[in-house]
Amino acid sequence: DTAVSQTPKYLVTQMGNDKSIKCEQNLGHDTMYWYKQDSKKFLKIMFSYNNKELIINETVPNRFSPKSPDKAHLNLHINSLELGDSAVYFCASSLRLAGNNEQFFGPGTRLTVL
Amino acid sequence: AQSVTQLGSHVSVSEGALVLLRCNYSSSVPPYLFWYVQYPNQGLQLLLKYTTGATLVKGINGFEAEFKKSETSFHLTKPSAHMSDAAEYFCAVSEDDKIIFGKGTRLHILP
Repeated sequence: DTAVSQTPKYLVTQMGNDKSIKCEQNLGHDTMYWYKQDSKKFLKIMFSYNNKELIINETVPNRFSPKSPDKAHLNLHINSLELGDSAVYFCASSLRLAGNNEQFFGPGTRLTVL
Repeated sequence: AQSVTQLGSHVSVSEGALVLLRCNYSSSVPPYLFWYVQYPNQGLQLLLKYTTGATLVKGINGFEAEFKKSETSFHLTKPSAHMSDAAEYFCAVSEDDKIIFGKGTRLHILP
């Protein structure tokens, strides 16, 4: 299936731990994103990479570090997890050349920090 | 900076009734506009988009939206609601390399 996939789907961990979320797209897109959706369903962009180059870096604590090994993958590493990091994290991708920014979303990773 | 305002965080309609979800945007340039739907515990799915051309845009599942430049609106409608339409709906506008989302409207369908 052509899609944006994320692993894991659920992640439960203790405060202070370090964790990673992985994202892969096989749509041939050149741009990938990470969004955070809080408990009120508000969606906020965190990062965006185009062809492995960071192009958007919103005001996000530096405990969050994205890594793009190639344009089909964008991983999110989080150090020293805090209670406030609990949220659903969505990966998305788009084709910059399309010019309209239509984004395709993954199923989300629900992170719970205890 | 562009912004999106969705009027009503919760909207309830009876099954078979008209669905109307309101969205207003602010943009200094011709916008690209989107409606996404999020079913419980799932990711976002594109319902429809406006880029250029015809201002009435048809999407999946019987939804449509009309771009009205004079009103800076992009309201989402469906003539007859179905129970399966219960979900969170997000209006969004494209800005540079990112999408700005509204805060979402939860649509409840009453039997």
